[in-house]
Amino acid sequence: QQQVKQSPQSLIVQKGGIPIINCAYENTAFDYFPWYQQFPGKGPALLIAIRPDVSEKKEGRFTISFNKSAKQFSLHIMDSQPGDSATYFCAASDSNYQLIWGAGTKLIIKP
Amino acid sequence: DADVTQTPRNRITKTGKRIMLECSQTKGHDRMYWYRQDPGLGLRLIYYSFDVKDINKGEISDGYSVSRQAQAKFSLSLESAIPNQTALYFCATSVSSYNEQFFGPGTRLTVL
Repeated sequence: QQQVKQSPQSLIVQKGGIPIINCAYENTAFDYFPWYQQFPGKGPALLIAIRPDVSEKKEGRFTISFNKSAKQFSLHIMDSQPGDSATYFCAASDSNYQLIWGAGTKLIIKP
Repeated sequence: DADVTQTPRNRITKTGKRIMLECSQTKGHDRMYWYRQDPGLGLRLIYYSFDVKDINKGEISDGYSVSRQAQAKFSLSLESAIPNQTALYFCATSVSSYNEQFFGPGTRLTVL
């Protein structure tokens, strides 16, 4: 019940395309859902986050869509660029305020 | 200078050796965390500390111990390293539960 399932494991998209990464959870007590971006040799860095009281949040080219009834949330990257190539992690915060992490998606944007 | 630093950045050690990984932060955050990252498994929480006197076990604390020497310093120890502790280890800090976690650059640990 504490798991966050992330898919796909890897994704290759042409420049300008819209990669979509999906996450699903079971614990209805989760109430904070961040996405982190990690470049090789670096620690993860917060990209965007959402609370369950809204269905969508946009920050620049990055959008989180949240479906509370389905217990799913997803990351969309508009007009993707080669510089967006990185590993993306979804996460959810539980009642003990710990982040439960998805397994990660390695995204490659081809020029 | 980096806000969250980790030392060493790379370490190779042998089975049974004691090893300490250190984390320092200049962000002034009370909360600090230790994670390990394994391919295909994401990040898993080892220990977390809400302040100097409040240390808690995470999902995978067995085989690890920690010490919060000051608000700015949080060390992770492997008392007797084993090969399946080979991983990338990250320290992170945050202001509060729902705030952004800031990660260090990681320590790549190999146990032979």
